[in-house]
Amino acid sequence: GNSVTQMEGPVTLSEEAFLTINCTYTATGYPSLFWYVQYPGEGLQLLLKATKADDKGSNKGFEATYRKETTSFHLEKGSVQVSDSAVYFCALSENEGTYKYIFGTGTRLKVLA
Amino acid sequence: EAGVAQSPRYKIIEKRQSVAFWCNPISGHATLYWYQQILGQGPKLLIQFQNNGVVDDSQLPKDRFSAERLKGVDSTLKIQPAKLEDSAVYLCASSFSRDGYTFGSGTRLTVV
Repeated sequence: GNSVTQMEGPVTLSEEAFLTINCTYTATGYPSLFWYVQYPGEGLQLLLKATKADDKGSNKGFEATYRKETTSFHLEKGSVQVSDSAVYFCALSENEGTYKYIFGTGTRLKVLA
Repeated sequence: EAGVAQSPRYKIIEKRQSVAFWCNPISGHATLYWYQQILGQGPKLLIQFQNNGVVDDSQLPKDRFSAERLKGVDSTLKIQPAKLEDSAVYLCASSFSRDGYTFGSGTRLTVV
């Protein structure tokens, strides 16, 4: 079945460091791919998305490119801030049937001042 | 626009008791989802509604969980009787299209 695999956390970085959170997926067909962010005590918020191969999603300095050849959707940010501390979830939406989302297990990011 | 509303925010119950959660989706969103998020894990779909019909409930433990969406708007998720392993955050989400859910803040359930 379809699945999403994320790198284990927690990831601890100093402010202004470069961030990469790896995400790979297994899917039949051509899913849409998403990154969601969950700040402490809050619900999940859509961070960015890509709906087809080679698309780049971007938002708030974060970006991720849909790589069909490597089945990956890695999240990157050039300079993290303390306010970026949160849990990040990679997800895919199946492109047929119910279009349900399948989430990865999440990666906790902690940014130190 | 107003977001997805959920209540209550927190609930503590003893095992074998019953509990119900409520969700009001964004106006006009035909699709509504209930997800279970156990601590340290990603959200897992429990049930998906399209208007007031069930589209997918394959991962809903039907011996104890039930959900309904009357009139295609609000939805309730019920657990009866609760088990310790039901402790989790229950997230409701709604969508207009498949390219992006909007999640509510969730209900954190603790079963003791």
